[in-house]
Amino acid sequence: QSVLTQPPSVSAAPGRKVTISCSGSSSNIGNNPVSWYQQLPGTAPKLLIYDSNKRPSGIPDRFSGSKSGTSATLDITGLQNGDEADYFCATWDNSLSPGGVFGGGTKLTVL
Amino acid sequence: EVQLVQSGTEIKKPGESLKISCKGSGYTFHNHYITWVRQMPGKGLEWMGIIYPDDSEVTYSPSFRGQVTFSVDKSISTAYLQWTSLKASDTAIYYCARRHFMDVWGNGTSVTVSS
Repeated sequence: QSVLTQPPSVSAAPGRKVTISCSGSSSNIGNNPVSWYQQLPGTAPKLLIYDSNKRPSGIPDRFSGSKSGTSATLDITGLQNGDEADYFCATWDNSLSPGGVFGGGTKLTVL
Repeated sequence: EVQLVQSGTEIKKPGESLKISCKGSGYTFHNHYITWVRQMPGKGLEWMGIIYPDDSEVTYSPSFRGQVTFSVDKSISTAYLQWTSLKASDTAIYYCARRHFMDVWGNGTSVTVSS
């Protein structure tokens, strides 16, 4: 059971928009920035979004992130076949044992 | 180019010890945290803990505290993850990543523990 809750799967057709949610609590998302990662099959994860809404250089603006309260969202517009991957959210948790936490991951299928 | 290069695939028996490595290049290694992440077969990412190379300050996830040890050798810009007695349940891919928000990832080290 992951500390952060993501939908197990989402799907959409090429060119469409998809939204992936990440739900947490006041001890994690509510008080810390969120990062998002893309993991293509058989590869290491790659940072897509940090500080909840910033993109590293080289990440297309089709990927965007936002945070509100204890939830965060990753939006992907103009879906491409190459976007088919697992997506994970992560943040810091300030609970009794502070540390990083991940969401369970969301499998994106491009129809 | 900023890179983290991890050591190669390991196949070990239960009870054996293991130390895997993560070598940084293209940046000032000792100034940036190294995060360790586990990915068990077919599963998601798990945060194991973090180490600050400059002073070797470590924070372990409660799930991994006492099970693994993080260390660094600043002189060769390398971080290490080690086990003293492996179990079959340690079978996974282990990633190192730079910083708390994991902006650069290593290529992963596959560890298989089987009798």
